[in-house]
Amino acid sequence: DIQMTQSPSSLSASLGDRVTITCRASQSISNYLNWYQQKPGKVPKLLIYAASSLQSGVPSRFSGSGSGTDFTLTISSLQPEDFATYYCQQVYSTPYTFGPGTKLEIK
Amino acid sequence: QVQLVESGGGVVQPGGSLSLSCAASGFTFSTYGMHWVRQAPGKGLEWLTFIQYDGINKWYVDSVKGRFDVSRDNSRNTLHLQMDSLRAEDTAVYYCAKDRAKGNNGLDVWGPGTTVTVSS
Repeated sequence: DIQMTQSPSSLSASLGDRVTITCRASQSISNYLNWYQQKPGKVPKLLIYAASSLQSGVPSRFSGSGSGTDFTLTISSLQPEDFATYYCQQVYSTPYTFGPGTKLEIK
Repeated sequence: QVQLVESGGGVVQPGGSLSLSCAASGFTFSTYGMHWVRQAPGKGLEWLTFIQYDGINKWYVDSVKGRFDVSRDNSRNTLHLQMDSLRAEDTAVYYCAKDRAKGNNGLDVWGPGTTVTVSS
């Protein structure tokens, strides 16, 4: 199975900050990498698919990059509604494992 | 609008069985792969299973293989998850989710989830 790791596990940032979250796969997954946002008590929301494609309706301040084993999610200017937990997921091969999550908190 | 709604959650004793359903609407169900994902209390997301659009091929995570069975009824736009030999560690919110395409893609629509509690 492909193992996914994320760093940092938690992050404190201020409104307007540029934030980057890293996801690493235990083996190459090409660009089969998705990013999700989940707020407390809410359903996960797809932000980025295929490593860098923005899901319809997602603000352009979110962007993704990477291929192979190393990927990043960047939020260019933090807004109040962005404070949440972010998960990466590989869909290269089953089981389609998720990363452990990165909790983004207000500083 | 595109919608998924799970049902069938509840409290069950260890070793028991439960059957979950996911009703789909607002899209052509029969052309998309479908997933089940769960989230234990206070924990992260765990992918469980994927079924192809035509129901022919299915894949599972090892922790549920042989105990859970995913199926779909494309005539009724419904996804199912039969869960047998349930354990305390299966306690979680269970989500069904739609694949953006036929697989190897993002999960773009999620249901609100149904809660399964395995306890004596």
